[in-house]
Amino acid sequence: EVQLVESGGGLVQPGGSLRLSCAASGFIFSSYWMHWVRQAPGKGLVWVSHINSEGSSSSYADSVKGRFTISRDNAQNTLYLQINSLRVDDTAVYYCVRWGLGWSLDYWGQGTLVTVSS
Amino acid sequence: QSALTQPASVSGSPGQSITISCTGTSSDVGGYTYVSWFQQHPGKAPKLIIYDVSKRPSGVSGRFSASKSDNTASLTISGLQAEDEADYYCSSYRSIRWVFGGGTKLTVL
Repeated sequence: EVQLVESGGGLVQPGGSLRLSCAASGFIFSSYWMHWVRQAPGKGLVWVSHINSEGSSSSYADSVKGRFTISRDNAQNTLYLQINSLRVDDTAVYYCVRWGLGWSLDYWGQGTLVTVSS
Repeated sequence: QSALTQPASVSGSPGQSITISCTGTSSDVGGYTYVSWFQQHPGKAPKLIIYDVSKRPSGVSGRFSASKSDNTASLTISGLQAEDEADYYCSSYRSIRWVFGGGTKLTVL
Protein backbone atom coordinates (compact mmCIF):
# COMPACT_ATOMS: atom_id res chain seq x y z
CA GLU A 1 0.00 0.00 0.00
CA VAL A 2 1.35 3.41 -0.98
CA GLN A 3 1.82 5.66 2.03
CA LEU A 4 3.06 9.23 2.24
CA VAL A 5 3.44 10.68 5.71
CA GLU A 6 4.32 14.35 6.11
CA SER A 7 5.82 15.94 9.20
CA GLY A 8 7.59 19.11 10.27
CA GLY A 9 4.75 21.60 10.18
CA GLY A 10 4.01 24.00 13.00
CA LEU A 11 3.68 27.60 14.09
CA VAL A 12 6.45 29.92 12.93
CA GLN A 13 6.92 33.67 12.91
CA PRO A 14 7.10 35.66 9.68
CA GLY A 15 10.60 35.46 8.28
CA GLY A 16 11.24 32.10 9.90
CA SER A 17 12.09 28.73 8.41
CA LEU A 18 10.86 25.15 8.53
CA ARG A 19 11.81 21.88 6.91
CA LEU A 20 8.97 19.60 5.94
CA SER A 21 9.55 15.89 5.47
CA CYS A 22 7.56 13.20 3.71
CA ALA A 23 8.26 9.54 4.44
CA ALA A 24 7.28 7.30 1.54
CA SER A 25 6.55 3.58 1.62
CA GLY A 26 4.79 0.91 -0.38
CA PHE A 27 6.40 1.77 -3.72
CA ILE A 28 9.82 2.23 -5.29
CA PHE A 29 10.36 5.82 -4.21
CA SER A 30 13.44 6.35 -6.37
CA SER A 31 11.43 5.69 -9.53
CA TYR A 32 8.92 8.50 -9.11
CA TRP A 33 8.88 12.25 -9.47
CA MET A 34 7.41 13.88 -6.37
CA HIS A 35 5.51 17.09 -5.70
CA TRP A 36 4.44 19.44 -2.93
CA VAL A 37 0.98 20.98 -3.16
CA ARG A 38 -0.46 23.36 -0.57
CA GLN A 39 -3.93 24.44 0.50
CA ALA A 40 -4.56 27.56 2.55
CA PRO A 41 -7.38 27.27 5.10
CA GLY A 42 -10.71 27.24 3.29
CA LYS A 43 -9.03 27.74 -0.08
CA GLY A 44 -8.14 25.66 -3.12
CA LEU A 45 -5.15 23.57 -4.08
CA VAL A 46 -1.97 25.24 -5.30
CA TRP A 47 1.00 23.44 -6.84
CA VAL A 48 4.26 24.39 -5.12
CA SER A 49 7.14 22.35 -6.50
CA HIS A 50 8.28 19.09 -8.01
CA ILE A 51 11.50 17.12 -8.22
CA ASN A 52 12.57 14.41 -10.62
CA SER A 53 13.23 10.85 -9.52
CA GLU A 54 17.00 11.28 -9.23
CA GLY A 55 16.76 14.59 -7.38
CA SER A 56 18.75 16.40 -10.07
CA SER A 57 16.00 18.65 -11.44
CA SER A 58 13.22 20.67 -9.83
CA SER A 59 10.67 23.37 -10.54
CA TYR A 60 8.84 25.88 -8.39
CA ALA A 61 5.76 28.05 -8.47
CA ASP A 62 6.62 31.71 -8.95
CA SER A 63 5.22 32.54 -5.50
CA VAL A 64 7.83 30.40 -3.72
CA LYS A 65 10.81 30.54 -6.07
CA GLY A 66 13.95 31.58 -4.22
CA ARG A 67 12.44 30.84 -0.79
CA PHE A 68 11.55 27.14 -1.00
CA THR A 69 13.87 24.25 -1.85
CA ILE A 70 12.71 20.75 -2.66
CA SER A 71 15.04 17.81 -2.21
CA ARG A 72 14.95 14.07 -1.66
CA ASP A 73 16.93 11.23 -0.13
CA ASN A 74 16.21 8.10 -2.14
CA ALA A 75 18.20 5.93 0.30
CA GLN A 76 15.84 7.04 3.08
CA ASN A 77 12.69 7.16 0.90
CA THR A 78 12.11 10.73 2.06
CA LEU A 79 11.07 13.94 0.33
CA TYR A 80 11.84 17.34 1.82
CA LEU A 81 10.73 20.93 1.46
CA GLN A 82 12.90 23.60 3.02
CA ILE A 83 10.84 26.75 3.41
CA ASN A 84 12.58 30.02 4.26
CA SER A 85 11.54 33.66 4.62
CA LEU A 86 8.06 32.54 5.54
CA ARG A 87 5.19 34.94 4.97
CA VAL A 88 1.70 34.98 6.45
CA ASP A 89 0.29 33.91 3.09
CA ASP A 90 2.39 30.73 3.21
CA THR A 91 0.01 29.46 5.90
CA ALA A 92 -1.43 26.24 4.51
CA VAL A 93 -1.61 22.49 4.71
CA TYR A 94 1.31 21.14 2.69
CA TYR A 95 0.73 17.85 0.89
CA CYS A 96 3.37 15.47 -0.39
CA VAL A 97 2.17 13.97 -3.68
CA ARG A 98 3.40 11.27 -6.03
CA TRP A 99 3.42 11.80 -9.79
CA GLY A 100 2.29 8.38 -10.83
CA LEU A 101 -0.64 7.09 -12.82
CA GLY A 102 -0.48 8.49 -16.34
CA TRP A 103 0.41 12.11 -15.89
CA SER A 104 -1.48 12.49 -12.62
CA LEU A 105 -0.80 13.28 -9.00
CA ASP A 106 -2.07 9.90 -7.87
CA TYR A 107 -1.25 9.51 -4.18
CA TRP A 108 -1.43 12.24 -1.53
CA GLY A 109 -0.23 12.31 2.03
CA GLN A 110 -2.48 13.50 4.85
CA GLY A 111 -0.75 16.89 4.91
CA THR A 112 1.12 18.92 7.49
CA LEU A 113 -0.09 22.34 8.63
CA VAL A 114 2.25 25.32 8.50
CA THR A 115 0.99 28.41 10.30
CA VAL A 116 2.87 31.67 9.89
CA SER A 117 1.88 34.21 12.48
CA SER A 118 3.41 36.64 14.92
CA GLN B 1 -7.34 33.74 -8.55
CA SER B 2 -6.95 30.14 -9.73
CA ALA B 3 -5.46 29.28 -13.08
CA LEU B 4 -8.40 27.09 -14.11
CA THR B 5 -12.01 28.24 -13.75
CA GLN B 6 -14.63 26.08 -12.06
CA PRO B 7 -18.09 26.97 -10.80
CA ALA B 8 -18.04 27.63 -7.09
CA SER B 9 -20.92 25.28 -6.39
CA VAL B 10 -23.29 22.78 -7.94
CA SER B 11 -26.08 20.74 -6.45
CA GLY B 12 -28.28 17.81 -7.30
CA SER B 13 -30.67 15.33 -5.79
CA PRO B 14 -29.85 11.69 -5.15
CA GLY B 15 -30.00 9.68 -8.35
CA GLN B 16 -29.55 12.69 -10.60
CA SER B 17 -26.49 13.58 -12.69
CA ILE B 18 -24.39 16.71 -12.45
CA THR B 19 -21.55 18.13 -14.52
CA ILE B 20 -18.70 20.33 -13.35
CA SER B 21 -16.79 22.36 -15.89
CA CYS B 22 -13.13 23.38 -15.81
CA THR B 23 -11.98 26.06 -18.22
CA GLY B 24 -8.36 26.79 -18.97
CA THR B 25 -6.35 27.88 -21.97
CA SER B 26 -4.47 26.37 -24.88
CA SER B 27 -1.40 26.36 -22.62
CA ASP B 28 -2.90 23.87 -20.21
CA VAL B 29 -6.29 22.14 -20.61
CA GLY B 30 -6.41 22.68 -24.37
CA GLY B 31 -2.80 21.83 -25.00
CA TYR B 32 -2.41 18.50 -23.21
CA THR B 33 -4.34 15.32 -22.44
CA TYR B 34 -3.18 15.59 -18.83
CA VAL B 35 -6.31 16.76 -17.03
CA SER B 36 -7.11 15.21 -13.67
CA TRP B 37 -9.98 15.49 -11.23
CA PHE B 38 -9.82 15.17 -7.46
CA GLN B 39 -12.46 14.66 -4.79
CA GLN B 40 -11.85 16.13 -1.34
CA HIS B 41 -14.01 15.54 1.70
CA PRO B 42 -13.72 17.99 4.62
CA GLY B 43 -10.52 17.53 6.58
CA LYS B 44 -9.23 14.88 4.20
CA ALA B 45 -6.57 14.78 1.52
CA PRO B 46 -7.62 15.00 -2.13
CA LYS B 47 -8.32 11.72 -3.88
CA LEU B 48 -7.65 11.16 -7.58
CA ILE B 49 -10.85 10.15 -9.40
CA ILE B 50 -9.98 10.89 -13.05
CA TYR B 51 -6.61 11.13 -14.83
CA ASP B 52 -5.47 11.80 -18.38
CA VAL B 53 -8.81 13.49 -19.19
CA SER B 54 -11.11 10.48 -18.89
CA LYS B 55 -9.41 7.50 -17.25
CA ARG B 56 -10.54 6.14 -13.88
CA PRO B 57 -8.08 4.73 -11.36
CA SER B 58 -8.79 1.27 -10.07
CA GLY B 59 -11.46 1.33 -7.40
CA VAL B 60 -13.14 4.56 -8.51
CA SER B 61 -16.84 4.20 -9.22
CA GLY B 62 -18.00 4.08 -12.81
CA ARG B 63 -20.48 6.81 -11.90
CA PHE B 64 -17.60 9.24 -12.42
CA SER B 65 -16.80 10.12 -16.02
CA ALA B 66 -15.01 12.99 -17.71
CA SER B 67 -14.17 14.51 -21.06
CA LYS B 68 -12.50 17.49 -22.68
CA SER B 69 -13.31 19.79 -25.56
CA ASP B 70 -10.88 22.50 -26.58
CA ASN B 71 -9.97 24.45 -23.44
CA THR B 72 -12.75 23.06 -21.24
CA ALA B 73 -12.79 19.81 -19.31
CA SER B 74 -15.89 18.36 -17.69
CA LEU B 75 -16.58 15.92 -14.88
CA THR B 76 -19.92 14.14 -14.75
CA ILE B 77 -21.22 12.29 -11.72
CA SER B 78 -24.23 10.12 -12.42
CA GLY B 79 -26.58 8.50 -9.93
CA LEU B 80 -25.70 11.03 -7.23
CA GLN B 81 -25.23 9.59 -3.77
CA ALA B 82 -24.96 11.34 -0.42
CA GLU B 83 -21.30 10.30 -0.16
CA ASP B 84 -20.51 12.29 -3.31
CA GLU B 85 -20.98 15.54 -1.38
CA ALA B 86 -17.47 17.00 -1.39
CA ASP B 87 -15.21 19.54 -3.08
CA TYR B 88 -13.99 18.72 -6.57
CA TYR B 89 -10.86 20.11 -8.18
CA CYS B 90 -9.58 19.89 -11.72
CA SER B 91 -5.91 20.04 -12.55
CA SER B 92 -3.85 20.28 -15.71
CA TYR B 93 -0.22 20.09 -16.68
CA ARG B 94 1.16 23.41 -17.95
CA SER B 95 4.72 23.22 -19.17
CA ILE B 96 6.68 21.76 -16.18
CA ARG B 97 4.09 23.09 -13.77
CA TRP B 98 0.68 21.97 -12.66
CA VAL B 99 -2.33 24.23 -12.27
CA PHE B 100 -5.56 23.71 -10.38
CA GLY B 101 -9.07 25.01 -10.53
CA GLY B 102 -10.53 26.89 -7.62
CA GLY B 103 -12.73 23.97 -6.64
CA THR B 104 -16.43 23.23 -6.84
CA LYS B 105 -18.53 22.38 -3.82
CA LEU B 106 -21.04 19.65 -4.64
CA THR B 107 -24.13 19.57 -2.46
CA VAL B 108 -26.40 16.53 -2.58
CA LEU B 109 -29.85 17.82 -1.72
